[in-house]
Amino acid sequence: AQKVTQAQTEISVVEKEDVTLDCVYETRDTTYYLFWYKQPPSGELVFLIRRNSFDEQNEISGRYSWNFQKSTSSFNFTITASQVVDSAVYFCALSEPYNAGNMLTFGGGTRLMVKP
Amino acid sequence: DTGVSQDPRHKITKRGQNVTFRCDPISEHNRLYWYRQTLGQGPEFLTYFQNEAQLEKSRLLSDRFSAERPKGSFSTLEIQRTEQGDSAMYLCASSTDRDAAYEQYFGPGTRLTVT
Repeated sequence: AQKVTQAQTEISVVEKEDVTLDCVYETRDTTYYLFWYKQPPSGELVFLIRRNSFDEQNEISGRYSWNFQKSTSSFNFTITASQVVDSAVYFCALSEPYNAGNMLTFGGGTRLMVKP
Repeated sequence: DTGVSQDPRHKITKRGQNVTFRCDPISEHNRLYWYRQTLGQGPEFLTYFQNEAQLEKSRLLSDRFSAERPKGSFSTLEIQRTEQGDSAMYLCASSTDRDAAYEQYFGPGTRLTVT
């Protein structure tokens, strides 16, 4: 069965610091997808990124970057020069193509607080 | 496209009452999912529709829960004889299987409080 673990329940940083959110996953499938979602105080889940299991290339989007390592089953998310608006709960998620229409299995989330 | 919408956004009900939530997916998305999120936890999968067919139900979905998606468009989630443990955020998401990655887009959720 698939499982996602986000060991950091809460992280607090000061604005402009870099911060990395950890995600470790378990799956028996060789084909799978990994996601990061942001949940601001308003509650709506906002899609940030998707990676498939065949593409280990790291990705950068502005201040956001993602490090996917199959060898350690990790998909970590780094925010560079954090800002107060980055304060939210961040979820890592996993889906498998043949499991309930690609249903998402979420980690427990990491609450990020960025202080001015 | 207006995104996934859910109604109502908040619902307070007394234990034992029935409640119904509605989800309108992104138009042309043939897949629709319901998740439940309790305080401080990640969302948990409840059920999934492909068009009008309900293809998967989680063990979390007890007999008091029923979901429908008539005509493969909007969906409703009904909870009968609500219990305090049903208090949670109910999230709806939609996707299309024309996208190989099956990316899911979420609605704002319905927050249920059972008193």
